[in-house]
Amino acid sequence: SAVISQKPSRDICQRGTSLTIQCQVDSQVTMMFWYRQQPGQSLTLIATANQGSEATYESGFVIDKFPISRPNLTFSTLTVSNMSPEDSSIYLCSAGQPLSYNEQFFGPGTRLTVL
Amino acid sequence: DQQVKQNSPSLSVQEGRISILNCDYTNSMFDYFLWYKKYPAEGPTFLISISSIKDKNEDGRFTVFLNKSAKHLSLHIVPSQPGDSAVYFCAAIPVNFGNEKLTFGTGTRLTIIP
Repeated sequence: SAVISQKPSRDICQRGTSLTIQCQVDSQVTMMFWYRQQPGQSLTLIATANQGSEATYESGFVIDKFPISRPNLTFSTLTVSNMSPEDSSIYLCSAGQPLSYNEQFFGPGTRLTVL
Repeated sequence: DQQVKQNSPSLSVQEGRISILNCDYTNSMFDYFLWYKKYPAEGPTFLISISSIKDKNEDGRFTVFLNKSAKHLSLHIVPSQPGDSAVYFCAAIPVNFGNEKLTFGTGTRLTIIP
């Protein structure tokens, strides 16, 4: 199994600012993902973080708003840019290996509140 | 468009009884289904899964049933224990090997009453 940590665990930010969330995995993983869970909603995939190349974004999410870095096989960052109150959510990263559907592990999440 | 739906946002069950959580999906390309359990301030953890070639998978107190024609799956927990109180998400993966993108339902908050 993989242990995933996220920093910060929570933050309260002002409108128009940006926040970078870090995700650290305790072992090398091929695949890392970023999800958002808005209040009362399901987990929605934002993007797949690709090591050494640009992230692959899902429909409705763009790089300018959610830039992602993946410098190596154990670390990724997600930046929420130019925040508005609608960005208030829990942001989760996950990690896994190809075809190992049962073994996608999630971090504890970052609870973001935008005022 | 919510492709995976959990129509019961919450469910309360007496300790020792059976908990049944339901999930419906609309995308016929979904081929593999998973249930995740989430405690407050923690990420979801994998619970049990089922492939579309099966109609039932059992793991201890947890059983998942799949009715592919009805596009419906359910999670049974027997007997229910207080530690089962959590939010349960069903998730689905399409027939596209190498695509590990999970589509989640909205979750059902299960409360086990002692």
